[in-house]
Amino acid sequence: QVQLQESGPGLVKPSGTLSLTCTVSNYSINNGYYWGWIRQSPGKGLEWIGNFFHTGKTYYNPSLKSRVIISVDTSKNQFSLNLSSVTAADTAVYYCGRLLAGNYYSPIHYWGQGTLVTVSS
Amino acid sequence: YVLTQPPSVSEAPGQTATITCGGSNIERKIVHWYQQRPGQAPVLVVHDDTDRPSGIPERFSGSKSGKLATLTISRVEAGDEADYFCQVWDTSGGLVVFGGGTKLTVL
Repeated sequence: QVQLQESGPGLVKPSGTLSLTCTVSNYSINNGYYWGWIRQSPGKGLEWIGNFFHTGKTYYNPSLKSRVIISVDTSKNQFSLNLSSVTAADTAVYYCGRLLAGNYYSPIHYWGQGTLVTVSS
Repeated sequence: YVLTQPPSVSEAPGQTATITCGGSNIERKIVHWYQQRPGQAPVLVVHDDTDRPSGIPERFSGSKSGKLATLTISRVEAGDEADYFCQVWDTSGGLVVFGGGTKLTVL
């Protein structure tokens, strides 16, 4: 069973950069499938951030694209999210996940437990 | 691209709950459904309009007709009480879109 675990600071200052890491267990990122990040503001719905393939192909939400970078460290079997110039509107639970199939438009099948990031001074 | 779901649906145990998801040209899109219990990560319950991942009970089924996609939960149980989200890939916008979510209350 694929397992994912998000980690990173729970508090980020406004205008700073939110940085999270997703550590994958029981499956190698290099073996294929797309991987992604989703967030959920408190009491709100789900918002897609982006998907990527281990070869470097990435797809970002156009509304966040100017501030988002998703990168991968295959040696550690981890991938990361960097979101710059954050505001209170970026306060959310951030989830990482693995998509169901080997295409970028597939749904997320395996989810991390999520990590709450609060943007506040 | 906007997916519209009813904010809430209520159903008694043993009955059938239906949750709808509407969007422009949804008949041409592939729809997925997630269940999210309070404080937990979402769980994929239906993908590609009608398919169930392994481990998801047959009580959960998806369909699409006309302008609506529908998640049907048969023989509703207390454990089904959760938020349900539909999702598509919007080809024209190049992004994943989620519906606003429907809270299922089991009476």
